[in-house]
Amino acid sequence: DAKTTQPPSMDCAEGRAANLPCNHSTISGNEYVYWYRQIHSQGPQYIIHGLKNNETNEMASLIITEDRKSSTLILPHATLRDTAVYYCIVRTGGTSYGKLTFGQGTILTVHP
Amino acid sequence: SQTIHQWPATLVQPVGSPLSLECTVEGTSNPNLYWYRQAAGRGLQLLFYSVGIGQISSEVPQNLSASRPQDRQFILSSKKLLLSDSGFYLCASQDWNTEAFFGQGTRLTVV
Repeated sequence: DAKTTQPPSMDCAEGRAANLPCNHSTISGNEYVYWYRQIHSQGPQYIIHGLKNNETNEMASLIITEDRKSSTLILPHATLRDTAVYYCIVRTGGTSYGKLTFGQGTILTVHP
Repeated sequence: SQTIHQWPATLVQPVGSPLSLECTVEGTSNPNLYWYRQAAGRGLQLLFYSVGIGQISSEVPQNLSASRPQDRQFILSSKKLLLSDSGFYLCASQDWNTEAFFGQGTRLTVV
């Protein structure tokens, strides 16, 4: 599975959009981009995933560049409860789906 | 969706004692199963993953072992714990092209 690069930390004001970048320049054609977050001392929580197209759900939006070498997770109206470590992962889909490897993630701090 | 049962939530064990952490999964069949460890303030380190009964891949050399005796049961073990085995252990399950579901974790302190 391709490696990802994320900034170690980011700040965001409550009520503003949080834009978390992720580089995955070695991503291959059958690899999906997944985002998870981990609030302190809990198991990671799935947020969103995508292959090529931009995706949106009730939690967030995922913007994937046309060349698929990077993506951005957008939390449209960040709240204090969104303070967490955010992980970007790429993994293989299909019948031979690959292992799930986490990097160090981005510590997002939402402040009042 | 899947439910991951992981116990106990916390565990304090002396150095040299054995360990057995169990994870069971509901809501799916033949998933990929994973064991992760997280040291304080660090990211998730993949320890083992399994694509089927009796099939275990180890990601890092260590004092631990894993087994999958049934399709939805994943066990993490050690014969003799070391201080360095302390950490937060997470079990996860994932189907093809779906998100991974995580248990609530076991915080292990080796003393």
